[in-house]
Amino acid sequence: DAGITQSPRHKVTETGTPVTLRCHQTENHRYMYWYRQDPGHGLRLIHYSYGVKDTDKGEVSDGYSVSRSKTEDFLLTLESATSSQTSVYFCAISGTAGLGQETQYFGPGTRLLVL
Amino acid sequence: KNQVEQSPQSLIILEGKNCTLQCNYTVSPFSNLRWYKQDTGRGPVSLTIMTFSENTKSNGRYTATLDADTKQSSLHITASQLSDSASYICVVSASGNTPLVFGKGTRLSVIA
Repeated sequence: DAGITQSPRHKVTETGTPVTLRCHQTENHRYMYWYRQDPGHGLRLIHYSYGVKDTDKGEVSDGYSVSRSKTEDFLLTLESATSSQTSVYFCAISGTAGLGQETQYFGPGTRLLVL
Repeated sequence: KNQVEQSPQSLIILEGKNCTLQCNYTVSPFSNLRWYKQDTGRGPVSLTIMTFSENTKSNGRYTATLDADTKQSSLHITASQLSDSASYICVVSASGNTPLVFGKGTRLSVIA
């Protein structure tokens, strides 16, 4: 998985609770991304980062926030989890050439269930 | 709207047989097209990447083709193996600093 780890790998939580997912990379790549994957949909971009403290919204950012205080770590926070956020979350990384111009390498995923 | 459509949604083939997966896209202006393989419970892994000027790219038993005029791509798998069972995702990139556009994938099952 190209030097990318995600934690936790599985999580069950209750509606209304905050949840933070962590992505850690050892490749020193500039770009980091959070996607969600749901049945009947392609991977959808939630947020991405193009450097420390530099982040931007993706296609489905409502209800999510992110932070990147170090090159190697990218955190995704669900401030108040809802059942619609039950999904598999993937972190990805890529180099310096911009959002779609270099191959993205994906982590192993975090399976989140919101009850 | 930029979209990627894949067909079929799912496919079952016998071990040793060949198969072809299809991808049609409306992404513009086109930059590149990638095929990813996603094993169950794991993240996607890149198989091939093609730019506008390339019309075929191979990676072992996987051969991808691209027709930029008709905006179609295919992924051909030769002499399938049980380990080829996975979802195959077509991903298209537009020029500039824009997000990737993902297809929904084709679920391939190779059976003995």
